[in-house]
Amino acid sequence: GDSVTQMEGPVTLSEEAFLTINCTYTATGYPSLFWYVQYPGEGLQLLLKATKADDKGSNKGFEATYRKETTSFHLEKGSVQVSDSAVYFCAPSSSGNTPLVFGKGTRLSVIA
Amino acid sequence: ETGVTQSPTHLIKTRGQQVTLRCSSQSGHNTVSWYQQALGQGPQFIFQYYREEENGRGNFPPRFSGLQFPNYSSELNVNALELDDSALYLCASSFGGLAGNYEQYFGPGTRLTVT
Repeated sequence: GDSVTQMEGPVTLSEEAFLTINCTYTATGYPSLFWYVQYPGEGLQLLLKATKADDKGSNKGFEATYRKETTSFHLEKGSVQVSDSAVYFCAPSSSGNTPLVFGKGTRLSVIA
Repeated sequence: ETGVTQSPTHLIKTRGQQVTLRCSSQSGHNTVSWYQQALGQGPQFIFQYYREEENGRGNFPPRFSGLQFPNYSSELNVNALELDDSALYLCASSFGGLAGNYEQYFGPGTRLTVT
């Protein structure tokens, strides 16, 4: 079955620092790849997605590129803000309306 | 466009009791998935409903059951509650059944505490 490995958190950065959260996955076929974000006390929000190899998903300054050869989908942001403090989840979805497979997530804390 | 809503927001139950959680899907969506998120963990898939039929199930015992109604809203029922059932229960709605890759939109969750 599908699986995902994310870098262990927590990650603590100063405001305006560069962010990378690593994500590698195992999935059958050609999965779609998603990054979700969970702010404190809330549900998950879709941050960005990519549906085929070499696609780049982007939203709110965050980017991730679908790398089929390395089965990776690393999340990056050039300059983080305090408001980006949250837990980030990478999730593959193999085919159809299949369930998302989540890892433990990576907690990001951004300090002013 | 109305987003995914869940009720109640929080509830506390005693071990052995039964609980029903509710989810209203986003307008235009016909598929609802339920996830359990224990503290400090990622969400784990419980089951999915598509057009009122169960469309897949994760590794959860039969005391976790569900329903989907003609308006595509859904219920999650848990019988014989155990302490380990304490978690945030998330509902996600999407469009389409077995074809394609569709984005899932999550509700805010229901926090269940079992004492």
